[in-house]
Amino acid sequence: NAGVTQTPKFRVLKTGQSMTLLCAQDMNHEYMYWYRQDPGMGLRLIHYSVGEGTTAKGEVPDGYNVSRLKKQNFLLGLESAAPSQTSVYFCATLVRQSYSGANVLTFGAGSRLTVL
Amino acid sequence: AQKITQTQPGMFVQEKEAVTLDCTYDTSDQSYGLFWYKQPSSGEMIFLIYQGSYDEQNATEGRYSLNFQKARKSANLVISASQLGDSAMYFCAMREGRGGFKTIFGAGTRLFVKA
Repeated sequence: NAGVTQTPKFRVLKTGQSMTLLCAQDMNHEYMYWYRQDPGMGLRLIHYSVGEGTTAKGEVPDGYNVSRLKKQNFLLGLESAAPSQTSVYFCATLVRQSYSGANVLTFGAGSRLTVL
Repeated sequence: AQKITQTQPGMFVQEKEAVTLDCTYDTSDQSYGLFWYKQPSSGEMIFLIYQGSYDEQNATEGRYSLNFQKARKSANLVISASQLGDSAMYFCAMREGRGGFKTIFGAGTRLFVKA
């Protein structure tokens, strides 16, 4: 997970509260992604960004907003949290491997969010 | 629409034996990438192996190999000589070759290695 830092690691919210998850990368990469992981459903893409000032919707964007004001940071916001948003959230950047040339997702450690 | 299917929710394998984790995919793109990731109980996501849609040879990385059958749209992961530390969740993933490089994941297979 070197180079991709997520904060906070754990958070408990009440229904209707708002919060922001921060993803910071120190590798100067253009592409950044937010996923959520739920049991039996793998990882699902929420939003992504192809560069500073740009964002786009993924598979499950409803209830979330994102911003990429600085290249290093990708913020995921929940304006009014719902129990259905209880999940583990992963941020990732796209890293080009030197030996294969493949672009590979490099993940942060994850943030566990519980909405009561 | 793109889709990844992993039909084995859980698998058991004896230590030192080989195991195959199944993955099928669906896409209309000609250019795409296929990946396998490992998620141990600690929760981190670890990249294992990559196969490009135009690669003619199956990818290998140490004890991991990817059995790529393009006509059947399958990308099975083979782990040789299983070790106890291989017990984890394994995810198959596919990325389109354009438009943001979005990657989609399968539901995962939990592998249990028995001593």
